[in-house]
Amino acid sequence: QKEVEQDPGPLSVPEGAIVSLNCTYSNSAFQYFMWYRQYSRKGPELLMYTYSSGNKEDGRFTAQVDKSSKYISLFIRDSQPSDSATYLCAMSERATNKLIFGTGTLLAVQP
Amino acid sequence: SAVISQKPSRDICQRGTSLTIQCQVDSQVTMMFWYRQQPGQSLTLIATANQGSEATYESGFVIDKFPISRPNLTFSTLTVSNMSPEDSSIYLCSVEDLRFGYDTEAFFGQGTRLTVV
Repeated sequence: QKEVEQDPGPLSVPEGAIVSLNCTYSNSAFQYFMWYRQYSRKGPELLMYTYSSGNKEDGRFTAQVDKSSKYISLFIRDSQPSDSATYLCAMSERATNKLIFGTGTLLAVQP
Repeated sequence: SAVISQKPSRDICQRGTSLTIQCQVDSQVTMMFWYRQQPGQSLTLIATANQGSEATYESGFVIDKFPISRPNLTFSTLTVSNMSPEDSSIYLCSVEDLRFGYDTEAFFGQGTRLTVV
């Protein structure tokens, strides 16, 4: 079993839709949870960062962490064609300081 | 934010040869990281490169295959040696970002797309 599981998609939604991206994980020691966005032929860029459980909002983006279920989510409101990219979840534990990535979900927002 | 330049952006290489990938950062950073991104697979850490010491390799990666140099705080190279088609992948360097009070790799280069034929 992989430490981090992420549905690879592709996920296609119409412009303006609410998008929900998810990851599950097995290591209960993970404390830091990140979402990266990767456009085609570019490196990943950090989008959201959350420590432990709870929600974090930044503009149209909301990150949620449910440690009891070992489940994290990224919500995108009012999705735009410019949001079309691959979204990667990543997480780490303080002991190792090493990021473990999901495989990424390819999102396409149709105008 | 750190700006990372990676060269080459892509290359097609013959099996058995070696390719050296360069990573230049516009500011001094303590830790630089090298990742591999294969199609349909997770970003996988190859090694951590610290200036003035040998790189630390992750399980499954060895120095003979992926030698790394870190001559100063703004530059690193990764060499993919004796290449085979299985080495075809995107290779990325990244650096830590201390904005959150925690060492997390927030900045990545654009990647080097390597195809071995």
